[in-house]
Amino acid sequence: AQTVTQSQPEMSVQEAETVTLSCTYDTSESDYYLFWYKQPPSRQMILVIRQEAYKQQNATENRFSVNFQKAAKSFSLKISDSQLGDAAMYFCAYRSVLGGANSKLTFGKGITLSVRP
Amino acid sequence: KAGVTQTPRYLIKTRGQQVTLSCSPISGHRSVSWYQQTPGQGLQFLFEYFSETQRNKGNFPGRFSGRQFSNSRSEMNVSTLELGDSALYLCASSTGGTSYEQYFGPGTRLTVT
Repeated sequence: AQTVTQSQPEMSVQEAETVTLSCTYDTSESDYYLFWYKQPPSRQMILVIRQEAYKQQNATENRFSVNFQKAAKSFSLKISDSQLGDAAMYFCAYRSVLGGANSKLTFGKGITLSVRP
Repeated sequence: KAGVTQTPRYLIKTRGQQVTLSCSPISGHRSVSWYQQTPGQGLQFLFEYFSETQRNKGNFPGRFSGRQFSNSRSEMNVSTLELGDSALYLCASSTGGTSYEQYFGPGTRLTVT
């Protein structure tokens, strides 16, 4: 079974600075999807970014980028120019590409990010 | 396109009662997944429905059940509620195909007293 580990429960960043959130995972599969989701206090889970394991290029979405190290099974999220609205809980998640009965998301425990004005 | 909607948003029930939660997916999406979120256990997968069939199930007791209708709307039922069932229940929809992004609803906060 796949597991996702987020070892840092909390992090803090100064507004306008850069922060990196860590995530490691374990799987025996060679192809899969990885995601970062954001959950603000409103509780609505929002997809931030996704990475396909067969793609070597790191995904980027505006101020959000990932550092995907397949061999190390590491998938960190970098938030540049942090804004107050980035304060939320961030979850790293894994999903198999096999689909069907393997289509569930496996989440890490999450990390609470606070942004200091 | 309208997002995923869940009703009700908040619910208070008593131990032993049963509850039904509803989820309407994004138009055109045929897959609906349910997750339970608690402070202690985090986010755990309950089950997934695709075209009215359950195609994936997590490790939850049989008190947790669900169904999906022909319009892709889904309901989740919990019978004989226990205090430990207090949680945020999240529903996520996707096309069910290989593009595979899941979009979440706002959740239903269930409190069992």
